[in-house]
Order: sequence, then structure tokens, then C-alpha cells
Amino acid sequence: SQQGEEDPQALSIQEGENATMNCSYKTSINNLQWYRQNSGRGLVHLILIRSNEREKHSGRLRVTLDTSKKSSSLLITASRAADTASYFCATQKGSGQGAQKLVFGQGTRLTINP
Amino acid sequence: DAGITQSPRHKVTETGTPVTLRCHQTENHRYMYWYRQDPGHGLRLIHYSYGVKDTDKGEVSDGYSVSRSKTEDFLLTLESATSSQTSVYFCAIRPDRAYEQYFGPGTRLTVT
Repeated sequence: SQQGEEDPQALSIQEGENATMNCSYKTSINNLQWYRQNSGRGLVHLILIRSNEREKHSGRLRVTLDTSKKSSSLLITASRAADTASYFCATQKGSGQGAQKLVFGQGTRLTINP
Repeated sequence: DAGITQSPRHKVTETGTPVTLRCHQTENHRYMYWYRQDPGHGLRLIHYSYGVKDTDKGEVSDGYSVSRSKTEDFLLTLESATSSQTSVYFCAIRPDRAYEQYFGPGTRLTVT
């Protein structure tokens, strides 16, 4: 079963606009990560936020985490055509060997229109 | 792709035949993972390894086996391929003291 549920499944915006994607999860986590996947390629790690953090920034990316609502959001500001990709959240939880696993959401397909 | 390669990149095989996919890393990381990606399901973990000869099952391990005889290689075997195993398979590695994973380019497998 998927830990993360992402919303929306697809998002299409104009270049220069901001894009917001959301991820909800079901159980307590140690951290939540966001990955990007360009068409036909492997996933690329973007940013990690720990369960005791509420917000994190990396360049044009801003991630928030609300553990009380079990949700996270990824904001991409001033979008560019190169941001067109699928974005996945992934959660890591627990301890021991089981904690070495990530559980991925189904992803949001983002299209940036020129 | 962070010193991680997968072979073959594309394969078409017939139902009932055995198939082995290879993941090779040059980073000397202990943790390695096999995922499959299907439309509507995101990435699902098949098996993972936390050292040479140390492996464990993931969410969708039925019909798959793995082996890791060397740090750099993690093999995924479909003993008798079925059409439901048509998918894109990704390998990933993770540094010991980090949480993020680094993915290979993927193998597109078609079972006819």
C-alpha cells in the first residue's frame, strides 16, 4: 500500500507561475523527501525534511511539513520549462533495517507551458 | 546518474522465461534497492540489500529474487516472467549516513 498520496495528479501552469504540489501520508515518519523524474529517466532527489522541521528551502524549492495533518507541500517558484517533470514524495519511517526503506507516492505530473 | 548503471536498458522476453537484471554501482554503498514503476502505482519496492548477502523483501516481492555477492552488484531475477511483470525497473543506492537515494536510469522490461 502506498504511504503517500499526492495531489493533484497532474498540474499545468504557465512559465513564471508558482507550482504547488501536496502529499499526504498515513503513519508517523522520520523524514519526507521529494524527488523529480524527467520523462524516461531515473528519479533525482530534490530535498529532505525531517519530522521535527516545519519548512525547508533549496533554491526555488520550498517544502513544508505538517505532522499533525500528516501532509507536506512542495512549492516551486518562478517555474521554468525545465521544471516539467513528475514529482514524487517519499516517506521514511521506523527504525532498524525496516527504516532503510522509502515508500513513494504516485506522483504529480507537472507541465510548464511557455 | 551517481555512479550507478543498469543493464540491460531494454528487454523483451516471452512469458515463462527467466530474466536477470543487473545493477552496478561504483560508490561502494552498502544499501541497494530494486523498484518497479507502473502507471498509477508510483514506485514500489521489490527487494533491498543492506550488505553483501544481506537482502530483504519489499512491498511487491512475489515472483522476484535477488542476489548480492559483491558490494557493487545487485541482481534482480524473474524466475519465470509473467505479463504482469512488464514494467520499468529502477535500481537505487543509498549512502550509509544519508537518507536520500540515488537512482539508476532504469530498465524497460516487456514480457509478451
